[in-house]
Amino acid sequence: GNSVTQMEGPVTLSEEAFLTINCTYTATGYPSLFWYVQYPGEGLQLLLKATKADDKGSNKGFEATYRKETTSFHLEKGSVQVSDSAVYFCALSATSGTYKYIFGTGTRLKVLA
Amino acid sequence: GAGVSQSPSNKVTEKGKDVELRCDPISGHTALYWYRQRLGQGLEFLIYFQGNSAPDKSGLPSDRFSAERTGESVSTLTIQRTQQEDSAVYLCASTRVGGSTGELFFGEGSRLTVL
Repeated sequence: GNSVTQMEGPVTLSEEAFLTINCTYTATGYPSLFWYVQYPGEGLQLLLKATKADDKGSNKGFEATYRKETTSFHLEKGSVQVSDSAVYFCALSATSGTYKYIFGTGTRLKVLA
Repeated sequence: GAGVSQSPSNKVTEKGKDVELRCDPISGHTALYWYRQRLGQGLEFLIYFQGNSAPDKSGLPSDRFSAERTGESVSTLTIQRTQQEDSAVYLCASTRVGGSTGELFFGEGSRLTVL
């Protein structure tokens, strides 16, 4: 079946450091891939998405590229800020069947000033 | 409201009691999802509604769990005879179409604690 594996946290970085959060997936067909973010005290919200191979999603300085050959969708940001502290979830959705979105376990990021 | 609304935000109950969790999706969103998030774990799919039908109930963990939806609006998730392992945050999300490439809009969740 479909699944998402993302790196465990917590990840603690200093402000302006480079961020990578790894995400790999297993899926039949050609899923769409997503990163969601959950800021403290708030609900999950979409950060970025990519719907086909080699697409790059980007938002708020974050980027992720849909790599079919490595079944990966790693999240990157060149210079993190304290306000980026949150939990990040990688997710996929199938392109057929029952439209089930599958989420990873989440990675908590803490950015120190 | 402008977003997905869930109630109650917090619920503490005794083992064996029934609980009902409510989700009010964004107006016009035809698809509605329920997820469960246990402490330190990912989002576990429970059930998906397209309109008021539920084509996928595969995630409901036992027959103590049920859900219904009125038209394309409010949904309720009911847990009967609650157990301690039911303690979790229950998240509701909605999206405009039933397809798989649309953004999911989440509520802030209902935190359930079963004593």
